[in-house]
Amino acid sequence: EVQLLESGGGLVQPGGSLRLSCAASGFSFSSYAMTWVRQAPGKGLEWVSSTSGSGGATYYADSVKGRFTISRDNSENTLYLQMNSLRAGDTAVYYCARRTGGKGLDVWGQGTTVSVSS
Amino acid sequence: AIQMTQSPSSLSASVGDRVTITCRASQDIRNDLGWYQQKPGKAPELLIYAASRLQSGVPSRFSGSGSGTDFTLTISSLQPEDFATYHCLQDYNIPYTFGQGTKLEIK
Repeated sequence: EVQLLESGGGLVQPGGSLRLSCAASGFSFSSYAMTWVRQAPGKGLEWVSSTSGSGGATYYADSVKGRFTISRDNSENTLYLQMNSLRAGDTAVYYCARRTGGKGLDVWGQGTTVSVSS
Repeated sequence: AIQMTQSPSSLSASVGDRVTITCRASQDIRNDLGWYQQKPGKAPELLIYAASRLQSGVPSRFSGSGSGTDFTLTISSLQPEDFATYHCLQDYNIPYTFGQGTKLEIK
């Protein structure tokens, strides 16, 4: 079964850091680009960051550029999002998703919640 | 960045109704558009990809159409399990952008 499972969310103070993980199973992880999407409470979906299958190409939303780093360990079938200098506006449920060429984001994890508050 | 304008933002309908949701892109995105369904507390699920292709396992009452800048999601006969929020997403280029979402409620 194709599955994505996020972890690492929690409560953090403004200015703090957190690292999210997304464990993939049931497919050839290194063959797929991967993406992080977030959803603030009561709001719509926002693309955060994407990386290529090899991890050699990375892309970021302007809102997180310079603060967040996406990476992946293809030997461990795991995607990461290192989040630094967190702000209240980063409070959201963070989803990882698989991107299949021509099919968009076709597999999603269940999400992990990040709360930034003092 | 490409802007996706989705309408309506909310919609009340009854079981058995036919409903249509639209997304307009601020520039030509070919057919690089997907529709997603999201239920409260759950992750989005892909319904339609490439504007009009039905994702495996999705009921045939869902359909998508359009290309270029104007796209439509149609549910031909609403079922109780269809009451949810629907999002469009363009993955033509980065930054990927979502529509604002349409909350479909029971009348």
